[in-house]
Amino acid sequence: SQTIHQWPATLVQPVGSPLSLECTVEGTSNPNLYWYRQAAGRGLQLLFYSVGIGQISSEVPQNLSASRPQDRQFILSSKKLLLSDSGFYLCAWSLGGRSYEQYFGPGTRLTVT
Amino acid sequence: GQQVMQIPQYQHVQEGEDFTTYCNSSTTLSNIQWYKQRPGGHPVFLIQLVKSGEVKKQKRLTFQFGEAKKNSSLHITATQTTDVGTYFCALNSNYQLIWGAGTKLIIKP
Repeated sequence: SQTIHQWPATLVQPVGSPLSLECTVEGTSNPNLYWYRQAAGRGLQLLFYSVGIGQISSEVPQNLSASRPQDRQFILSSKKLLLSDSGFYLCAWSLGGRSYEQYFGPGTRLTVT
Repeated sequence: GQQVMQIPQYQHVQEGEDFTTYCNSSTTLSNIQWYKQRPGGHPVFLIQLVKSGEVKKQKRLTFQFGEAKKNSSLHITATQTTDVGTYFCALNSNYQLIWGAGTKLIIKP
């Protein structure tokens, strides 16, 4: 069966510090991978998605970047965090292709102070 | 681009009462997915509907896709405390999901 790992679970970082969040998927090959951000009490905002190694699509221009160095690894980064980067970051995967459901990791709660 | 409007934003019910959330679009939807997010948790896939007029049931949950494929609903019969959370509809479109804003189910104490 497939499993998605995401860490850390919580993170408190000062403004201006770098960020690296990692997500890995087990039990499947060539998945589509996604990064979302969710503000408290709000809906899901798609940040990046990837349909293959090295292929990244950005949905929202901002202070963040994503990379997919391996088939089942997706990394979200920032060089300098802003207060507005605080939120709940969720990684998700789906089967390769256009019309499949998404499965989410447990998420990382980021607080920028 | 396509959008999905989801209402209501919140619904307060007594335990044992029914709950319904609606998802609407001005254009024809190719499919609709439903997810549940418990407080503090991550969204969990519930179901996908693709056929006009489709009705699917999961225990006390009933999912419907409109005949014109422009709306969908999720109905929960006799809510329980385990149903608390936010329910999202989402349209699958070109590798992405277009999300509704969610309906938060709150059980009155």
